[in-house]
Amino acid sequence: QVQLQQWGAGLLKPSETLSLTCAVYGAFSGFSWTWVRQPPGKGLEWLGEIDRSGSTNYNPSLKSRVTISVDTSKNELSLKLSSVTAADTAVYYCARGDILVVPAARSGGMDVWGQGTTVIVSS
Amino acid sequence: DVVMTQSPLSLPVTLGQPASISCKSSQSLVYSDGNTYLNWFQQRPGQSPRRLIYKVSNRDSGVPDRFSGSGSGSDFTLKISRVEAEDVGIYYCMQATHWPRTFGQGTKVEIK
Repeated sequence: QVQLQQWGAGLLKPSETLSLTCAVYGAFSGFSWTWVRQPPGKGLEWLGEIDRSGSTNYNPSLKSRVTISVDTSKNELSLKLSSVTAADTAVYYCARGDILVVPAARSGGMDVWGQGTTVIVSS
Repeated sequence: DVVMTQSPLSLPVTLGQPASISCKSSQSLVYSDGNTYLNWFQQRPGQSPRRLIYKVSNRDSGVPDRFSGSGSGSDFTLKISRVEAEDVGIYYCMQATHWPRTFGQGTKVEIK
């Protein structure tokens, strides 16, 4: 059973860079990996996705502020969001994306989620 | 971006009674491979989201059979045949056919 454990700085000042890491315990290669966030009292927002080769898709709403990367030697994925503002205050989740090695088994992904990390941006 | 519109946004339900949530997309969710990547998630208070349904109507492992999904094209429904107390939470639909992936606003299910 795959498990995701995430961590990172929980309190940032405006203009700083948010940095979160998500460790994958279980199968890593063969899947894409996703970050999603949830502002307080609001819904879910998809931030972006990466596959094992490092190919990414990002939410255009974040423009060029977001970077997702993987460290295949550690089975980890990372999220960086630059120039944060109060609007970036949210719970951030990592989630498993879709299976890539067996296209017929695609499901749309997000079947496994991390525990969430609360990030507050405040001066 | 594909806009996902859920209704209702709030759904008070009596225990043991059915519940139904609608999700409509601004574009067809049929992918080039013929599949429709419309998923449903449940988020209980204070918890991470949990996927219930994938590709419109497939229940994830461990999901009670009182949950069912249906629909096609751009019109989808999640049904709970008999609501139980543990079903309280917010339900989201999400499309994984188009980039960027998008979620519905969420439907809050509560017990009357």
